[in-house]
Amino acid sequence: GQNIDQPTEMTATEGAIVQINCTYQTSGFNGLFWYQQHAGEAPTFLSYNVLDGLEEKGRFSSFLSRSKGYSYLLLKELQMKDSASYLCAALDSNYQLIWGAGTKLIIKP
Amino acid sequence: NAGVTQTPKFQVLKTGQSMTLQCAQDMNHEYMSWYRQDPGMGLRLIHYSVGAGITDQGEVPNGYNVSRLKKQNFLLGLESAAPSQTSVYFCASSYSVEGADTQYFGPGTRLTVL
Repeated sequence: GQNIDQPTEMTATEGAIVQINCTYQTSGFNGLFWYQQHAGEAPTFLSYNVLDGLEEKGRFSSFLSRSKGYSYLLLKELQMKDSASYLCAALDSNYQLIWGAGTKLIIKP
Repeated sequence: NAGVTQTPKFQVLKTGQSMTLQCAQDMNHEYMSWYRQDPGMGLRLIHYSVGAGITDQGEVPNGYNVSRLKKQNFLLGLESAAPSQTSVYFCASSYSVEGADTQYFGPGTRLTVL
């Protein structure tokens, strides 16, 4: 079956760096997305990786290893507003998104 | 540019009642979809549409029907609501019919079935 695994919850300190991991098993693969979702709000797009390697976008970076079925989202210089859930989603061979349950990130002062 | 809008934002139903959730997008997107989000679970695809008049089932279609008469609107119907359908419902749209492009989500409808 198809599956996405990511930690349920993580805690980090304001100003620090945090890495949120995601492993995936899908029927075929056409890319991996990261979305941010603040409590009570809709998910919003953060990044998309289809090739191996690191994509950097400001304080956020996303990494993909297709051979390992693994991705991570790296958040630097954490701010209180980064407190949110981070959703990992893989695009399978039928271009359907398979979503993880999300990682709730708690930022402490 | 309103993006993706959903109505209503909140709804309480009694078991057996029916209702329609409405979704509209003004970005000229071909691909639209309906998801439900439950605590501890990932977003689950209910139904999707690759264009006006074309719909298909997703992962959890039972108990729901959809209609896309116009490109900009995608309706989700609950035929006979059940407590198991208590959830947050999100509508999403994207440029690509293959769904490889960024999904834009509406603000969600919080549905409680008593």
